[in-house]
Amino acid sequence: QVQLQESGPGLVKPSETLSLTCTVSGGSISRYYWSWIRQPPGKGLEWIGYISYSGSTNYNPSLKSRVTISVDTSKNQFSLNLSSVTAADTAVYYCARDYYDDSGSFLYFDYWGQGTLVTVSS
Amino acid sequence: IQMTQSPSSVSASVGDRVTITCRASQGINSWLAWYQQKPGKAPKVLIYAASSLQSGVPSRFSGSGSGTDFTLTISSLQPEDFATYYCQQANSFPRTFGQGTKLQIK
Repeated sequence: QVQLQESGPGLVKPSETLSLTCTVSGGSISRYYWSWIRQPPGKGLEWIGYISYSGSTNYNPSLKSRVTISVDTSKNQFSLNLSSVTAADTAVYYCARDYYDDSGSFLYFDYWGQGTLVTVSS
Repeated sequence: IQMTQSPSSVSASVGDRVTITCRASQGINSWLAWYQQKPGKAPKVLIYAASSLQSGVPSRFSGSGSGTDFTLTISSLQPEDFATYYCQQANSFPRTFGQGTKLQIK
């Protein structure tokens, strides 16, 4: 059974960089695409971006100038860096696996981490 | 692509039939998924490709629609179904979700 676990600081100061890591267990990070999704307290879900096992990325244009997602296949991990954070970046951050059908069409996010709350505050 | 759900919240009783709608700002064929989220938990996929039931999901959940208009129906509400539901388009980038529909006990 594939499991994802987010890790990183729960408190980040304004203007600094938020850094989170997602560790994948129970399966290989290879041959899949991996996303970061966030949810501000009491609000809806926002897709941040994804990375493939080979390192190709796609980011949400609303965050693109501040986001970097990287992968370390040797550790079965992928990471999120979000720079110049403000209070608006306070959210639960989830990592998730993208599920594609046999023809290569994305269908849904099938495995999710439990989520980690990151608060931006001085 | 903007996804708009209605209603934002709904109150219902155990045994009721409930329908939630999701409208896409442009056509997405059948590239739509529905998720259920309970407080403090990650979302869980219920329906994908607009009408395909995810393995292990009870058959009281069903989805329909194509193009811009979609529905999620719960045929007979059970106590464990009270949660927030999100639609998500899988047609193009950026991947976007509806704002959510909170299903509450009447």
